[in-house]
Amino acid sequence: GESVGLHLPTLSVQEGDNSIINCAYSNSASDYFIWYKQESGKGPQFIIDIRSNMDKRQGQRVTVLLNKTVKHLSLQIAATQPGDSAVYFCAERTGNQFYFGTGTSLTVIP
Amino acid sequence: SAVISQKPSRDICQRGTSLTIQCQVDSQVTMMFWYRQQPGQSLTLIATANQGSEATYESGFVIDKFPISRPNLTFSTLTVSNMSPEDSSIYLCSVALSGGTTDTQYFGPGTRLTVL
Repeated sequence: GESVGLHLPTLSVQEGDNSIINCAYSNSASDYFIWYKQESGKGPQFIIDIRSNMDKRQGQRVTVLLNKTVKHLSLQIAATQPGDSAVYFCAERTGNQFYFGTGTSLTVIP
Repeated sequence: SAVISQKPSRDICQRGTSLTIQCQVDSQVTMMFWYRQQPGQSLTLIATANQGSEATYESGFVIDKFPISRPNLTFSTLTVSNMSPEDSSIYLCSVALSGGTTDTQYFGPGTRLTVL
């Protein structure tokens, strides 16, 4: 199976600071990556995606960086807000199969 | 994206009974998926449900335990049969939507199942 893991299981940041959540993947053939946010009691919510032919993609307050050399994916959240508190996990696609990481729990301290 | 709803949102069931979970999408989609998510763990794919064909099950999951229906392009059901406490989990349906050349998976809100 695929190995999609997160470096840190928990992360606490002060409100207003930037957050960085990391993800390692193992299959160099993976061509598409997604970051999801999952709040307590809810389903995963799509945040941002990136294809393997890109190194960086920006959304509203979020940026995803892809380093194919070291098979590393990161999610940067600017000016973190209390509403950003959730579990974040990455997903990689190999062929037509998605593989999901276990998640990092982000806590925003007011 | 798509609006995906699931029923029930949660249930508490007795051992040996069965529960059918419904998944409704607001647009027609070819591929629907059923996942299980146990506390603190990642998503585990149970099966892929395509309209007009038998569901494709992943290793460790069988049709007798998790029968799936896909009667049309906007609806699917997953039944958890002969439940045991080990089936307690969150069950999620998802759909694959095309965004240009890329299919992205979107998830429903999940069904939280507790088996006593």
